Amino acid sequence: DQQVKQNSPSLSVQEGRISILNCDYTNSMFDYFLWYKKYPAEGPTFLISISSIKDKNEDGRFTVFLNKSAKHLSLHIVPSQPGDSAVYFCAASAPWWGAQKLVFGQGTRLTINP
Amino acid sequence: NAGVTQTPKFRVLKTGQSMTLLCAQDMNHEYMYWYRQDPGMGLRLIHYSVGEGTTAKGEVPDGYNVSRLKKQNFLLGLESAAPSQTSVYFCASSYKTLDREAKNIQYFGAGTRLSVL
Repeated sequence: DQQVKQNSPSLSVQEGRISILNCDYTNSMFDYFLWYKKYPAEGPTFLISISSIKDKNEDGRFTVFLNKSAKHLSLHIVPSQPGDSAVYFCAASAPWWGAQKLVFGQGTRLTINP
Repeated sequence: NAGVTQTPKFRVLKTGQSMTLLCAQDMNHEYMYWYRQDPGMGLRLIHYSVGEGTTAKGEVPDGYNVSRLKKQNFLLGLESAAPSQTSVYFCASSYKTLDREAKNIQYFGAGTRLSVL
């Protein structure tokens, strides 16, 4: 039972344009969401997060939007740069998970074309 | 500052062999985690630890054991490796804090690629 889903395995975007990565979740009790970025042969690194009390969080070129009614979040990267080519994972956390466990989506491979 | 270090980086096992993956963190984090990453499956939690001497099962614990004898180390053991355990294994750690954002940010090692033949 996949509680966090990223339905697009891959995405190709031209340099300078906007990249939009999507994530859906099924558990309405999730209250914190994160995006991680992963380069080949490296571990995932934290990118940006959002609490369920917000609908938007922005950090430089990266913005995460949360639509609680649709159980959907998206990551916008503007403008896209070649160094953004990586696999992006969304993750969710529930308040009762005292050990701060995360549930991850399957990942989306983003390729930025020059 | 090394962060989270995993050893070894690569390993090939034969079915039935045993091995231990080592994770070490130098950030004085309370919580540590072991994940496996498989194609199309994302990262799935195997076991985790909320402190020295304590461990708990995650989503896919079968076939694995763990130990946290020291705060900075978290060991993942495979007693009798199976081809289904071919995967990339990631260790992570995080702070124990009341800050909701900080407590959810996990710091990952570079991974161990394991093949079981």
